[in-house]
Amino acid sequence: EDQVTQSPEALRLQEGESSSLNCSYTVSGLRGLFWYRQDPGKGPEFLFTLYSAGEEKEKERLKATLTKKESFLHITAPKPEDSATYLCAVQSSGYALNFGKGTSLLVTP
Amino acid sequence: DVKVTQSSRYLVKRTGEKVFLECVQDMDHENMFWYRQDPGLGLRLIYFSYDVKMKEKGDIPEGYSVSREKKERFSLILESASTNQTSMYLCASSPLDGGYGYTFGSGTRLTVV
Repeated sequence: EDQVTQSPEALRLQEGESSSLNCSYTVSGLRGLFWYRQDPGKGPEFLFTLYSAGEEKEKERLKATLTKKESFLHITAPKPEDSATYLCAVQSSGYALNFGKGTSLLVTP
Repeated sequence: DVKVTQSSRYLVKRTGEKVFLECVQDMDHENMFWYRQDPGLGLRLIYFSYDVKMKEKGDIPEGYSVSREKKERFSLILESASTNQTSMYLCASSPLDGGYGYTFGSGTRLTVV
């Protein structure tokens, strides 16, 4: 059975203080690892898909990386508008995504 | 832009009522999904569909059913609503291979009283 574990559960950063969120996974065969951002009361918003170990993707202050056991979402010089819950999900043999419980990020001015 | 539209943002229903949650997507996606999201539990898959009239149970199908009569529309049905079905319900769609991203709707916050 697929397992996705995100850490930390919550993270508080000062504006400009870079950090990383972790997503560790156990799957029988990884077809894709997804990162989403979710604002309160809204649906998840797609950020990245990673397919193979060593792959990296960037978008503004966010950079996602993938190894055979985990993925990191690096946030460089975050701003208050980066505050959100970040969700990691894996797709293995089926059509559906299996989600972690998320990391709640708060960036203070 | 791909759009997944859920018919209601907020719903309040009484215990025992039959509840319909509607979801429509405009990108001709084969796959559609219903998840529920609860604090501390994350997103859990209720049902999904990979084609018209096709459906597969997810991790927590008990108390729910689904209907997909047209490719663009996927309905979640609570046959007899109960208070433990109070939750945020999220619909999503994707191409058949699920590749570049699953697009979510804005969610329906359902309260069963």
